[in-house]
Amino acid sequence: KAGVTQTPRYLIKTRGQQVTLSCSPISGHRSVSWYQQTPGQGLQFLFEYFSETQRNKGNFPGRFSGRQFSNSRSEMNVSTLELGDSALYLCASSSAGTLGEVAFFGQGTRLTVV
Amino acid sequence: SQQGEEDPQALSIQEGENATMNCSYKTSINNLQWYRQNSGRGLVHLILIRSNEREKHSGRLRVTLDTSKKSSSLLITASRAADTASYFCATARGTSYGKLTFGQGTILTVHP
Repeated sequence: KAGVTQTPRYLIKTRGQQVTLSCSPISGHRSVSWYQQTPGQGLQFLFEYFSETQRNKGNFPGRFSGRQFSNSRSEMNVSTLELGDSALYLCASSSAGTLGEVAFFGQGTRLTVV
Repeated sequence: SQQGEEDPQALSIQEGENATMNCSYKTSINNLQWYRQNSGRGLVHLILIRSNEREKHSGRLRVTLDTSKKSSSLLITASRAADTASYFCATARGTSYGKLTFGQGTILTVHP
């Protein structure tokens, strides 16, 4: 079974631009969560999608948005990039996103904002 | 904000030694998981312990959970150089779908 796939692996963007990151979950998994990892703040939850609906959202500004498609693939968008958005963005998939489930993570997308 | 703290922040040992990492959290939980991360890459799930369990084993890993103290520990026995990585505890609670709250992590270095 293929794992969680994130594309692209690396991105360099300029302040003010927008970026879209993609995540393909494990086949059969319907829940996709996104996390931001930075040296200062550690791993922080962005949002979770299940069956194309956002069920949960972390404490991030509205510049961070996402969506999920009918095949469970998910995209995350960050508009009006700021230097502080430089981070490793990780997505995780699980069967239903419920308690007690293991989350399987992708390799992440390293975003650098210059 | 992070759920809790991990202790120590960094741990350096020799191959063959045991490594113990601790995690504390602030609120009631339903389960606690431990993950490993190599060099800023993806997280790999190691073990999950539910709130009604006190101890769990998986290969060279032993996890304990003390809900009265809101703490957990991860023991890696007979460490190998390949165990060098960052280790994170993560908690899930309530009906917070898909959300794991992570500790700051422990950086483990195992010297050959």
